[in-house]
This record gives sequence, structure tokens and C-alpha cells, in this order.
Amino acid sequence: KQEVTQIPAALSVPEGENLVLNCSFTDSAIYNLQWFRQDPGKGLTSLLLIQSSQREQTSGRLNASLDKSSGRSTLYIAASQPGDSATYLCAVRPTGTASKLTFGTGTRLQVTL
Amino acid sequence: EPEVTQTPSHQVTQMGQEVILRCVPISNHLYFYWYRQILGQKVEFLVSFYNNEISEKSEIFDDQFSVERPDGSNFTLKIRSTKLEDSAMYFCASRYGGSVDEQFFGPGTRLTVL
Repeated sequence: KQEVTQIPAALSVPEGENLVLNCSFTDSAIYNLQWFRQDPGKGLTSLLLIQSSQREQTSGRLNASLDKSSGRSTLYIAASQPGDSATYLCAVRPTGTASKLTFGTGTRLQVTL
Repeated sequence: EPEVTQTPSHQVTQMGQEVILRCVPISNHLYFYWYRQILGQKVEFLVSFYNNEISEKSEIFDDQFSVERPDGSNFTLKIRSTKLEDSAMYFCASRYGGSVDEQFFGPGTRLTVL
């Protein structure tokens, strides 16, 4: 059974810092990995999707990497801003016909002024 | 930009009552999902739906749950007889399919069972 873990559970950084969020998964037989942002009491906003054949994806100040064989992904946020404060979730989709996502525990990020 | 919408945003019901949560997926998407998130816990998969039938479901999705696509735009989740432990945020998601693999989520319906 796939287990997805995110470290750290919470992180507070001053504005302008670069930071890295970690995601690990136990079963490397994944089709893709998706990073989401969740604001308190709100839905999930998709940030980046990395296919299993890719090593990284970039969108603006965000860069996600994937090392499938070691069961790890990182989300790098450059020049953090207070508006980046949210919970960040990673989710993996298995190989095969199933397309359900298995989510991690999340990292709650606070960027302070 | 197209988005997934859900109604209502908050539903309060008494234990044992039936509830229907509604979703309008992105219009040209072919795959539909329901997930839930109990307060303070992980987002959990409930069910996936494709070509007018359930393609996968989790152990949570028992006989009390059902899904339907009654027309070309709506996708519903029905809980027949709600329990206290059904209180959660329910998220609908959709995906186009093929090489476009991203799942897009709605804002959620907060279900409170009293």
C-alpha cells in the first residue's frame, strides 16, 4: 500500500528566503506526482505535475524534482513571499489503469514579513 | 479559465439523513473523482468515474455511498444515511485524460453531520 510522507510538517521562514519542501513515497511504481497548494478551508490548487519519466518541472518561482527510484520529490520555492503561506500537498498516481491520487500529510508553510 | 465548481459550500444535516453533494466538472473532461478530507487528516480517495461507471473505489466507499452523472454536466455524490464520521470536506475533481493527466479540484463542500 502506497504511503506518502511530507517533511517538515510545518515551516516558518522570513520573506525572501528560498525553501525546499520534501515528499517521499514508499512504492516507486508511480505514473506521476502532483504538487498542490491548499489555503485554509479551501480547495486544492494544482501547482505542478511531473510525469514518472521526467526529472523536474518549473512554473515561475516553483521547481519540482522527482527521483522515482529513491521515492522522493522536492518542491523548491524561490524568493518566498507572504502570499505563499499555505499548506503544500504532494500526491502520487500509481502505474496501471488506476488514476486515484494518494496524498501526503502536507507541509504548512508560513512566510513572515 | 475553466474550473470545477461544487454546491453547496457547506451542508449541515442530521445523522441518518440523506445528502447529495453536487459538482460540475470542467466541461470537456472525461474522468471524475470524489475525495474527502476529515479535519486535520490527509485527503483520501473515495471513487473514480469514467464512461458512466465507477472505475475504482476505496474501502470507504461502501453501500451508503453512490455516484451519478445525471446529465452532461453534473456529477453527484449521495450519502444515503449519514453518520457522524462522515463529517468532512468533500472534494470533486476532474481530468481530461490521455496525455493531459492533471487532476483539477473544486473548492469543496464542508459536510457537518450532527
